[in-house]
Amino acid sequence: DVKVTQSSRYLVKRTGEKVFLECVQDMDHENMFWYRQDPGLGLRLIYFSYDVKMKEKGDIPEGYSVSREKKERFSLILESASTNQTSMYLCASSPGEPNQPQHFGDGTRLSIL
Amino acid sequence: SQQGEEDPQALSIQEGENATMNCSYKTSINNLQWYRQNSGRGLVHLILIRSNEREKHSGRLRVTLDTSKKSSSLLITASRAADTASYFCATLRNQGGKLIFGQGTELSVKP
Repeated sequence: DVKVTQSSRYLVKRTGEKVFLECVQDMDHENMFWYRQDPGLGLRLIYFSYDVKMKEKGDIPEGYSVSREKKERFSLILESASTNQTSMYLCASSPGEPNQPQHFGDGTRLSIL
Repeated sequence: SQQGEEDPQALSIQEGENATMNCSYKTSINNLQWYRQNSGRGLVHLILIRSNEREKHSGRLRVTLDTSKKSSSLLITASRAADTASYFCATLRNQGGKLIFGQGTELSVKP
């Protein structure tokens, strides 16, 4: 079974801090994704990556950056955390072949105080 | 922007009944996927139907796709309390690999 592991289930940080959310997948998937999930807004794509050192902006990239130095690891960075970035963050991965589902981690519930 | 829109937003049924959830979308798609999310957890993939397919089955799940109406339905037969979760449809557009998720249907199955 594919396993996508997010480093923390719950995280509390302060406004202005630099925050790192880590995601690791164990199935050699080419594609990796970061979403945030908010009530009433569903899942929104922040950034995604099709290969090592490659990144593409999603629908809401402002205030975030990403890093993919190794194929299995995709990091989401909040450069200067703000209270409106309090949310559930979900990481996903999928193979590079077409018509393949995404596999999700259990999410990180991030609170910015 | 949201592509998939689920209907209803919430559904409450008794164990043993069938549950039907609908999804509509706006643009041409490559495939449509259904996911399930238990409270406080990540999403789990249920079924993928390609744009040239009309119906697909997996266990107690049946998915239909009508590309002329730009809509899909997910039927869960003989529901169980353990089916209680949120269900999301997601569409993959013909161009690019980004999935667009709807806002989900909250299903509650009462024992």
